[in-house]
Order: sequence, then C-alpha cells, then structure tokens
Amino acid sequence: RKEVEQDPGPFNVPEGATVAFNCTYSNSASQSFFWYRQDCRKEPKLLMSVYSSGNEDGRFTAQLNRASQYISLLIRDSKLSDSATYLCVVNHPLLDGTSYGKLTFGQGTILTVHP
Amino acid sequence: NAGVTQTPKFRILKIGQSMTLQCAQDMNHNYMYWYRQDPGMGLKLIYYSVGAGITDKGEVPNGYNVSRSTTEDFPLRLELPAPSQTSVYFCASSYALGYNEQFFGPGTRLTVL
Repeated sequence: RKEVEQDPGPFNVPEGATVAFNCTYSNSASQSFFWYRQDCRKEPKLLMSVYSSGNEDGRFTAQLNRASQYISLLIRDSKLSDSATYLCVVNHPLLDGTSYGKLTFGQGTILTVHP
Repeated sequence: NAGVTQTPKFRILKIGQSMTLQCAQDMNHNYMYWYRQDPGMGLKLIYYSVGAGITDKGEVPNGYNVSRSTTEDFPLRLELPAPSQTSVYFCASSYALGYNEQFFGPGTRLTVL
C-alpha cells in the first residue's frame, strides 16, 4: 500500500461546481497533513494545512479523519483559476521512529475547471 | 526576499557528464530539502539537511550527493548522471522539520541523454 494515495483523477468540472478530493495515508502515527497546489510546470505551494477539527479558507474546506486515515479537500464554486494539480502531503515518522522529519507527497490529482 | 532560488532552470546532460544543481534561500531557514518529481508522480525526497554541516539521505539518494557548508546554500551533485535521473528537481526550505510549510524553488528540468 502506498504511503499516501490520492484519487487518480483527472477531474474536469464546469465553473461554479463543487469538487472533492480524497486522500488516504498508511501510517497511523502521521502527525501533520497538508494540501499543496501545483500549477503546470511550476513549484508546489502550500494551499492549506489540515487540522483535526477541520478547517476552512474561503471556498476551500479540508477535513481529517484519523480513525479512517483519510483526508479530504472540498472546493466550492470552482473558478477557472483553480485549475491545477492538488497534492496531498503527510508528515510521518522516520523509519527509525526518532523524529517526525519528512513529508510524503501523494501523486497529485489534476483539476481542470472549464467555462 | 527572493525566497528559494535554483539554477539552472533547464539543462541537458550526456550520460556521465557530472553537474551541480544550485539552491539558495534567504529566509534563514535551517532545514533544506531536495526532491525529484517524475511525470504523474509525487515528489520523492532525495536528501535533506537540518543545518550547516548536517545532511541525511531521503527516500531516493542513490546517484546524488549534497553538501551544506552555509545556512543559505544546499547544492545537489550528480557525479555520473544516467537517463533514469531525467526529472524535475525541486529544492525547498522550511523553518522547522516536517511540521511547517515548505517553500519551494522554481525547479530545474534536467534531461540526461
């Protein structure tokens, strides 16, 4: 099982649609969770962190379910500018268990919003 | 602040033609990272550093070397490039290890023929 696995996508949605991305992670000891956005041929940039209680930033809502080891991202009222690849990112312990040192990136889900 | 800068932006190498990818950050971050991203794949950690003089292997370190002589710079060296190392390379830095946002450079697109 992959350490971080995302919906394969791609998602093609019209402007104004609501779209949801899912992500699962394999290590129950993982501590921190993030969604990054990557535009075509650009570097990843942090979209939002994901907190246990769930969090919202404008049209974006992130949820975490530790019991199911599942993270989600909901985008409401999609805009053309939301077209990008969305990367699910998990911080997990190093193999020797000594520290929470590294981020593991999912393969990304491509979103295209069309007029 | 320039953030994280990388040079070159693009490079084509012949097999065995060594080169160094440069990375610098001006945010005074102790933690720096090198990733590679293959088409349709997530980022894979190559090496990381927790401060000047301290480096450690990531998930895919074979074929690469790093050094960290200053807080600002974290170069990645390919001694004997192979076609399997054709990829996009991203350097990143962060204030803390793992919990905080990582800031990425614009990437270097490397082709090994």
